[in-house]
Amino acid sequence: EPEVTQTPSHQVTQMGQEVILRCVPISNHLYFYWYRQILGQKVEFLVSFYNNEISEKSEIFDDQFSVERPDGSNFTLKIRSTKLEDSAMYFCASKQQGYSPLHFGNGTRLTVT
Amino acid sequence: AQTVTQSQPEMSVQEAETVTLSCTYDTSESNYYLFWYKQPPSRQMILVIRQEAYKQQNATENRFSVNFQKAAKSFSLKISDSQLGDTAMYFCAFGRDDKIIFGKGTRLHILP
Repeated sequence: EPEVTQTPSHQVTQMGQEVILRCVPISNHLYFYWYRQILGQKVEFLVSFYNNEISEKSEIFDDQFSVERPDGSNFTLKIRSTKLEDSAMYFCASKQQGYSPLHFGNGTRLTVT
Repeated sequence: AQTVTQSQPEMSVQEAETVTLSCTYDTSESNYYLFWYKQPPSRQMILVIRQEAYKQQNATENRFSVNFQKAAKSFSLKISDSQLGDTAMYFCAFGRDDKIIFGKGTRLHILP
């Protein structure tokens, strides 16, 4: 069964550094998402991406965050200048069409020190 | 804005028992869909069951079923004959078009 793949599985970075989290969504999916889960807490919506542009973003997704789909297969989340509070599990997800369920990757655990 | 509320932060049941997890949501939309996701200790997010709002019939997937009450905006998950492998965090989710939002989750422990 096709999967959403995320790399790396764990990223450690120093405060103020830029990080790029990478995702390869399922190939025939059209909608792409990033979610964040601070340890033990709820899964928070960050951003949705459709037709090569952001379709919706949350208040968490400020100017420090950006997304890109550079080559038709990868979908990346960039955090320009990481803060301690950015430490979380970041999940990429994709879905085929509007009413389809989300398929999640296994997540990238980001630790900011 | 839509909200999803799970009022039970944590629950424990004995293996083989039936357990019901509660979820309510708030929306002004008429067309939407609802999901339950399971997150075991591995932290993967696994789809358990889905329900389209236009369908009156409650969705069922093996031991998992929902009680969807559209007027009450309620979407509970029933797990029958619970198994040790059902131990996980369970998230209720509301979706429309391009956005899916999650409740805070219910941590479910199945006791041997």
